[in-house]
Amino acid sequence: AQSVTQLDSQVPVFEEAPVELRCNYSSSVSVYLFWYVQYPNQGLQLLLKYLSGSTLVKGINGFEAEFNKSQTSFHLRKPSVHISDTAEYFCAVSEQSGYSTLTFGKGTMLLVSP
Amino acid sequence: EAGVAQSPRYKIIEKRQSVAFWCNPISGHATLYWYQQILGQGPKLLIQFQNNGVVDDSQLPKDRFSAERLKGVDSTLKIQPAKLEDSAVYLCASSLDLTGNTIYFGEGSWLTVV
Repeated sequence: AQSVTQLDSQVPVFEEAPVELRCNYSSSVSVYLFWYVQYPNQGLQLLLKYLSGSTLVKGINGFEAEFNKSQTSFHLRKPSVHISDTAEYFCAVSEQSGYSTLTFGKGTMLLVSP
Repeated sequence: EAGVAQSPRYKIIEKRQSVAFWCNPISGHATLYWYQQILGQGPKLLIQFQNNGVVDDSQLPKDRFSAERLKGVDSTLKIQPAKLEDSAVYLCASSLDLTGNTIYFGEGSWLTVV
């Protein structure tokens, strides 16, 4: 079975500063990796995903993430954040098997202040 | 393209009452998921359907929760009787197939049990 650890429950940052949200996973097989964003009172929106190929994945709203197999990590980065990026961010994993479901981390709240 | 539709968006009930949530997935999506998201946690899978058959319901509390997808399109999730700890957001999601490599979420149904 797979699992996801998001080490930081909250990350405060000033507007226009860079940010990294950390995600580590555990699985005995190859995986797909995802980052979702959840704005207040809304559902989950897919930011980006790693399925195969290049380990650097670019997503929407200027976010990117890098898959590191040796460190079993998939950290999310943005070089310059905006106030509107304030939201909860979830890392998720699914196994590359016949059928699979998403397993989520507990989430990281990104708090951007002016 | 229309997204995953859920209703009602918000529901407040007393403990021991019953409640039902409805989900209409994206057109053509064979796989439908129900997730439970308790405040401060990541979503947890309750049940997964492929067309009108259940693929995984191992984490569904079957003594009080039930779900169906009779015609392989819409789905209903029911809770009876509700407990205080059932207060959560119930997220419906869908994907084209079972691989789980692209899953789309609805806005969620917010349940408060008092």
